[in-house]
Amino acid sequence: GQSLEQPSEVTAVEGAIVQINCTYQTSGFYGLSWYQQHDGGAPTFLSYNALDGLEETGRFSSFLSRSDSYGYLLLQELQMKDSASYFCAVREASGTYKYIFGTGTRLKVLA
Amino acid sequence: NAGVTQTPKFQVLKTGQSMTLQCAQDMNHEYMSWYRQDPGMGLRLIHYSVGAGITDQGEVPNGYNVSRSTTEDFPLRLLSAAPSQTSVYFCASSYIRGTEAFFGQGTRLTVV
Repeated sequence: GQSLEQPSEVTAVEGAIVQINCTYQTSGFYGLSWYQQHDGGAPTFLSYNALDGLEETGRFSSFLSRSDSYGYLLLQELQMKDSASYFCAVREASGTYKYIFGTGTRLKVLA
Repeated sequence: NAGVTQTPKFQVLKTGQSMTLQCAQDMNHEYMSWYRQDPGMGLRLIHYSVGAGITDQGEVPNGYNVSRSTTEDFPLRLLSAAPSQTSVYFCASSYIRGTEAFFGQGTRLTVV
């Protein structure tokens, strides 16, 4: 089956750059998505990579390498409000269209 | 535009009780799904549906039933609640090949 692994926790200081990795084992998927979830809230969509390479959306960028079964979310100019959990997700291309989430990474931003 | 509406927000059940978590979306999405979220476990897929009349099991389906009689609604039924089902439950919807899933506000369920 599909599995998406992420580091459980990452800590960085305000103004820094942090990278959250997502390694996956899957037979096929449409693309890699990223979500942010603040404590007590629901996940919200951040970005999507259909093809290999870097996608940039403001302070956030996301990268995908299908040949390496690897992707990452890059957060620049960290702010306190970026403290949250981050999840990668894929949709199976096998015909089931199952939408699977990674294990999640909790980001702590320190002042 | 309401998006995904999930009710209730909070619920306490006694072991053995049954209940239904409601989920409705107004975006005409084909795909709907239920996840449970436990500390340190991420979002685990319980059941999902790719259209009215079609449902399938996810990673952790035991103890839960679903049905999809309309495009808009996808209720989740707990047949006989157990303390192991204490969790936060999220309903989500998307287009069938959509890049983005839209989530309900979540239901915090406690089984005592």
